[in-house]
Amino acid sequence: DTGVSQDPRHKITKRGQNVTFRCDPISEHNRLYWYRQTLGQGPEFLTYFQNEAQLEKSRLLSDRFSAERPKGSFSTLEIQRTEQGDSAMYLCASSNRDRVLEQYFGPGTRLTVT
Amino acid sequence: RKEVEQDPGPFNVPEGATVAFNCTYSNSASQSFFWYRQDCRKEPKLLMSVYSSGNEDGRFTAQLNRASQYISLLIRDSKLSDSATYLCVVNMRNDYKLSFGAGTTVTVRA
Repeated sequence: DTGVSQDPRHKITKRGQNVTFRCDPISEHNRLYWYRQTLGQGPEFLTYFQNEAQLEKSRLLSDRFSAERPKGSFSTLEIQRTEQGDSAMYLCASSNRDRVLEQYFGPGTRLTVT
Repeated sequence: RKEVEQDPGPFNVPEGATVAFNCTYSNSASQSFFWYRQDCRKEPKLLMSVYSSGNEDGRFTAQLNRASQYISLLIRDSKLSDSATYLCVVNMRNDYKLSFGAGTTVTVRA
């Protein structure tokens, strides 16, 4: 399967714990995006990488959130001190340099904070 | 005001019918437009880009009206497999993030 992959697919955690999600983009894609989607809403942009550089962060991304993309390959999204309001589907997408707006999404990580 | 607004539906249509729905966007500087499809508890998938002159992809036709700031999607000869949520997506000039509407749900019944 050469699509975007995400791990884990589901995560249940207690409030206050830290969680980390991983995204592996399509191999030839140099751009990687994180979005968050809650029930009944469309995905909301969180952050974006071009290669290893994080070029933009949404105001939704509080200081409890951090994302990295070492070596410009896979990316991780960490949430520290999780809150119940962090419960959502976290989606990763990637695109290539020629068609940057055609973003291909992974299956997402569904986070439940209890 | 939300950047992208859609009628949530649901649009319940019989197999073979035509269904159409719009979305409106608030920022006149929006440059690129897309329709994505999302099945229940799955990831969004790009359905089609929307071009200024309107475009067609099989049974799907997309139109853009810049003056009124809306885009539309029409599905002809609906199939059961067309049942999904359709997300309207816009992009600003010189920006790489996508702004999604909340989606329009379409249910095609036999």
